[in-house]
Order: sequence, then structure tokens, then C-alpha cells
Amino acid sequence: QAQLVESGGGVVQPGRSLRLSCAASGFTFRNYGMHWVRQAPGKGLEWVAVIWFDGSKEYYADSVKGRFTISRDNSQNTMSLQMNSLRAEDTAVYYCARFDANQWDPWGQGTLVTVSP
Amino acid sequence: QSVLTQPPSVSAAPGQKVTISCSGSNSNIGNDYVSWYQHLPGTAPKLLIYDNNKRPSGIPDRFSGSKSGTSATLGITGLQTGDEADYYCGTWDSSLSVGVFGGGTKLTVL
Repeated sequence: QAQLVESGGGVVQPGRSLRLSCAASGFTFRNYGMHWVRQAPGKGLEWVAVIWFDGSKEYYADSVKGRFTISRDNSQNTMSLQMNSLRAEDTAVYYCARFDANQWDPWGQGTLVTVSP
Repeated sequence: QSVLTQPPSVSAAPGQKVTISCSGSNSNIGNDYVSWYQHLPGTAPKLLIYDNNKRPSGIPDRFSGSKSGTSATLGITGLQTGDEADYYCGTWDSSLSVGVFGGGTKLTVL
């Protein structure tokens, strides 16, 4: 059974950095594109970033472009999101999700990032 | 402002039927498959419908999906109190290489 577990969330001051991780199990990780999706308090789901199955391509939402970097280690079945120059509006629960053909499935339980002075 | 447009809320009585619409454009829904997700606060979003109208194993046939042009619809029949949740449509915009979601629809089963 495919499973994803996020870690690394916490409270951070504006302008600082934080690195999130996503550990995958139960499926052949290297065969799938992986995404980050976030949900700010009281808001809907917002797509953040994707990394191709082999790490060859990365794409970002305009709201995080130039500040966030997605990466993966297929030998360790892990994906990361390096978040720099954090802003208050980056406060959200961050989910990692596997992209299976045309849909996101499964999703992790999420990790909360709070950007506050 | 979300790329895909959903009604903020819908409601119906137990046992009744409800539909949730999702409107996009030619670059996203009009050009790609739509999926639907059920989300309860504090939990992982759950895939309900993929490829516009297919159900993953374990999803009851009370849930259905359809797509026409640049719009998609999620239907839920035989409403149960356990269906109360937020529902999101989503798609991969292959022309922009970005994921897009609707703003979410809160379902209340009265």
C-alpha cells in the first residue's frame, strides 16, 4: 500500500528557511512524479511544485518560484522542499502527493509550517 | 483566486443528491483529465474520481464524475452525514506545466 509521510514543519521567522521532507513507501518511488500541495488556514488547496520521476524537470507555482526548490533522492525514496525567504503567506499545511497518470494519489497527512515573528 | 471555479458551498438532506461544478478553461479542464478529492480538516485529501469519471477501488458508486468542454461535475447520491467534507476538483495544466485546483466546496448534509 502506497504511503507518504511528511516531516520538517515548524515555526519559523519571516525571511528564514525551512526544509520539508516526504518519505515514500509501498510503491516504486522512482517511477512517479511527485508534488507538493499546500493549504493555508481557511483556504483551499494550492499546488506548489512538481519534480519529474527522474528529477529531470521541476515546475513551480508563481507564488513560490525563485524561493522554493524541490528535489528527490530515488535511492532513499524521499523528496524534499527547500523553502527560503519565507513569508507570512507561506503559512500552511504542506502535503506531498504522488502523481499517478492524471491524478494525485495518495497524499500524505501533511506538515504544518507557520511563518511568524 | 483559484484557477478552477467551484461553488463555495452546497447542502442537501440525507438520502438526497447533490452536484458540485468545476469550471476552468481550454488550457486546463478543456485539455486534461479532471480528478476530484474529498478533504476533511487534519486529514490527507482522498481521491474520489480520476480521469473525469472513474472511481478508484473502494469508492462507492454513489460518487460519480463527468466532464463537458471546460467544465466538470461531481455527483453524490444517497447523501450520508459522513459525506460532510470539502470537495476539490483538480487537473494538470499541461500547457503551463502547473497543477491547478478549484477553491473547494463545503458539503453540508442537513
